[in-house]
Amino acid sequence: DTGVSQDPRHKITKRGQNVTFRCDPISEHNRLYWYRQTLGQGPEFLTYFQNEAQLEKSRLLSDRFSAERPKGSFSTLEIQRTEQGDSAMYLCASRSRDFYYNEQFFGPGTRLTVL
Amino acid sequence: AQRVTQPEKLLSVFKGAPVELKCNYSYSGSPELFWYVQYSRQRLQLLLRHISRESIKGFTADLNKGETSFHLKKPFAQEEDSAMYYCALDSNYQLIWGAGTKLIIKP
Repeated sequence: DTGVSQDPRHKITKRGQNVTFRCDPISEHNRLYWYRQTLGQGPEFLTYFQNEAQLEKSRLLSDRFSAERPKGSFSTLEIQRTEQGDSAMYLCASRSRDFYYNEQFFGPGTRLTVL
Repeated sequence: AQRVTQPEKLLSVFKGAPVELKCNYSYSGSPELFWYVQYSRQRLQLLLRHISRESIKGFTADLNKGETSFHLKKPFAQEEDSAMYYCALDSNYQLIWGAGTKLIIKP
């Protein structure tokens, strides 16, 4: 296991198109998080899964955003009808089910550019 | 409101000088705080957490509940410490992040 992976690493799309990103967490981690990071800012929480259940969703997440984790393993984040303001780095993180070891492990991110 | 503030966007010090990266937080409960680091072209990774009270790569951070601070310190900076540093607060299901401080160590 090489850690959290994300695909693609870069995505350039035209405004109005739909995009989908994938995240593969560390295999034994039951918690998965999506964050968005724009230039000069720290990551902002988008949504959180525990196994396959989506337990929290940020108010930042408009209806154009949807995330799934169908079998409690990998997750996808879809953005419909992209806007230029969606341009950002999208980060995925996973975390162990062990309460004490609450470190989040991050993937390399997917950089989205909306033209 | 839960918030993490890193007042310095950029900190530049000479090699061998002491380093202090400031972090202040606002949280109503008992905070769990972390420092994450991102080296050039690498992913975010945990540097240290307050609950462990450990020193990693010579860095330490002490939680001061009275001042609501969790400043990161190192007595003698090294060139390889140049990176982005983020302070983060564990708020149940998510991490709340500061905007980050870019640390540059001059030779």
